[in-house]
Amino acid sequence: KQEVTQIPAALSVPEGENLVLNCSFTDSAIYNLQWFRQDPGKGLTSLLLIQSSQREQTSGRLNASLDKSSGRSTLYIAASQPGDSATYLCAAQYNFNKFYFGSGTKLNVKP
Amino acid sequence: GAGVSQTPSNKVTEKGKYVELRCDPISGHTALYWYRQSLGQGPEFLIYFQGTGAADDSGLPNDRFFAVRPEGSVSTLKIQRTERGDSAVYLCASSLLGGRMAGELFFGEGSRLTVL
Repeated sequence: KQEVTQIPAALSVPEGENLVLNCSFTDSAIYNLQWFRQDPGKGLTSLLLIQSSQREQTSGRLNASLDKSSGRSTLYIAASQPGDSATYLCAAQYNFNKFYFGSGTKLNVKP
Repeated sequence: GAGVSQTPSNKVTEKGKYVELRCDPISGHTALYWYRQSLGQGPEFLIYFQGTGAADDSGLPNDRFFAVRPEGSVSTLKIQRTERGDSAVYLCASSLLGGRMAGELFFGEGSRLTVL
């Protein structure tokens, strides 16, 4: 069974810091790796999608990288803001249709 | 529609009752997924539709759960004889294509089911 692990489970940083969220997966034969943001009581909002042939994707202050050989992806957030406070989830796509999710990293950016 | 729409947003029911949860995906998206999320956990896969057919229902926990997508658009997740352990947020997602080229998943706001 494919497993996706996110470390740390929670993170608290002061505003303005750059930070890295980690996602690891057990099977390197992934198709895609997608990062999401989830606000309390809400659904998931797509942030970045990295296809298996890519190494990274960037959107604004966010940069996600993918290293299939080591089974890892990282989400880099530059110049964090209080509005970035949310839970961040990664999902690895296998088997044509199944996306396996980590349990998320709960981020708190303090003003 | 502009996004994935799910109704109801909240559903409280009694143990043993029947429940239907509805999902209206983004217009033109052929792939539709149902996930279930418990507090503090990531979403867990339930079922995947490609068009009208259930291409993979291996995540459905037991035969009390069933889902349909009769016209390849709106989907309904049906839960019979609900149990307290069914309480969770049920999330629906869609993507433009299915299979390996699924691309981005777009999620709805979810339906929070509470079984008393």
